Amino acid sequence: EVQLVESGGGLVQPGGSLTLSCAASGFTSSSYWMSWVRQAPGKGLEWVANIKQDGSEKYYVDSVKGRFTISRVNAKNSLYLQMNSLRAEDTAVYYCARESPDGYNFDFWGQGTLVTVSS
Amino acid sequence: QSALTQPASVSGSPGQSITISCTGTSSDVGGYKYVSWYQQHPGKAPKLMIYEVSNRPSGVSNRFSGSKSGNTASLTISGLQAEDEADYYCCSYKNRVFGGGTKLTVL
Repeated sequence: EVQLVESGGGLVQPGGSLTLSCAASGFTSSSYWMSWVRQAPGKGLEWVANIKQDGSEKYYVDSVKGRFTISRVNAKNSLYLQMNSLRAEDTAVYYCARESPDGYNFDFWGQGTLVTVSS
Repeated sequence: QSALTQPASVSGSPGQSITISCTGTSSDVGGYKYVSWYQQHPGKAPKLMIYEVSNRPSGVSNRFSGSKSGNTASLTISGLQAEDEADYYCCSYKNRVFGGGTKLTVL
C-alpha cells in the first residue's frame, strides 16, 4: 500500500525556518517525481515545488523561489522541504504528493502537516 | 500563473447528476490533455478522481466522468450519493495550476 507521511510542521515566527519531511513507503520512491502542494486555511490547493527522480531537476512556484529548497534522499525514501524566511502567507497545510508514472497528475497524497507562521 | 476558474459551489439531490466546470486558457486547459480532478473531504488529503481529462484511476466509481471542450474542462458526477459531498479541484499539470475549488453539497 502506497503511503506518504509528512512531519515537521509547527509554529514558527516570521523570518524563521522549518524543514518538512515526507516518508514514502509501499513503492520505490526513486522512480517518481515528487511534489509539495500546500493549502492555506480555508483556501484552495497550490503547487509549491517538485523534484525529479534523481534530484537533478527542481522547480518552484514563483512565490517561494529563493526561500524554499526541495530535496530527496532516495536511500531513505524521503522527501524534504527546507523553508527559510517564512512569511505569514506561507501558513498552510503542506502535502507531499507523488506524481504519476506517466506524469501529469498527483496520484497519491500524504495527510499533510500544518505550518503556522505567526509571532 | 492564475488559478483556473471553478464555481464556488454546486448542489444536487441524491440520485441526480451535477457538473462542475473548470475554465482556463489555451495555455493550460485548452492546449493540453493534462487536466485532472481531485476530491477532498474536510480535514482529509485530496484524492485523484480523473486524470488526462477523462480517465478514471482504478477504484474510482464510474459515476465520475470528465470531459473537455475548448478551454473548459468538466467533471460530472451521476447518481449523486451523500458521500460525494466534498470539495473538488481541477488541475492543469502543464502549468501545475489548480482551480479555486468547488464545494459540492448533496441536499
